[in-house]
Amino acid sequence: EVQLVESGGGLVQPGGSLRLSCAASGFTFSSYWMSWVRQVPGKVPEWVGDIKEDGSEKNYGDSVKGRFIISRDNAKNLLFLQMDSLTGEDTAVYYCVRDLGYCSGRICYSVYDSWGRGTLVTVSS
Amino acid sequence: AIQMTQSPSSLSASVGDRVTITCRASQGIRNDLGWYQQKPGRAPRLLIYAASSLQSGVPSRFSGSASGTDFTLTISSLQPEDFATYYCLQDYDYPLTFGGGTRVDVK
Repeated sequence: EVQLVESGGGLVQPGGSLRLSCAASGFTFSSYWMSWVRQVPGKVPEWVGDIKEDGSEKNYGDSVKGRFIISRDNAKNLLFLQMDSLTGEDTAVYYCVRDLGYCSGRICYSVYDSWGRGTLVTVSS
Repeated sequence: AIQMTQSPSSLSASVGDRVTITCRASQGIRNDLGWYQQKPGRAPRLLIYAASSLQSGVPSRFSGSASGTDFTLTISSLQPEDFATYYCLQDYDYPLTFGGGTRVDVK
């Protein structure tokens, strides 16, 4: 069974930093793109970014680019989200997501088939 | 960034009703779109990927279609467990973007 368990959330002051982790199990972690999605409770989810299987490619949403870094440790089946220069607008539940991926011919699609339960990040003084 | 305009933002329906939700992309995105269901306090759940492919384990009453930049999620016969919020997500180009959501509640 695929399991994704986020940790590291909590209360942090504006301007501070936080590092989230996601422990993956039940599948070959190193074979999948992984993503982070965040959501203010009651609001629309926001895509944060993703990372290729081997960590060689990373992409970020506009609101976090230059402040957040996604990384992974395939030996330990861990995904990370380093968040710096945090503001109140970063307050949200952060989800770790597996991209199952689906390719038809030369076109590949993102398939966000497995999600963690999320970890809450609150940025406040 | 590609804008996804989802409609309606909410709807009221009864068990057994046919429900249709639409997302319109601000530009062509081929069929690079998924549909997700979310219940309060839970993570989103994948229903449809590549516009019309049903995710494994999802009931066949859910279906997706596409016409140009318009994408539709249809629930053929609404069941009690289907009352939830639905989102589309385009994965054609970075950054990936969600539609504004459609809340389906009891009439």
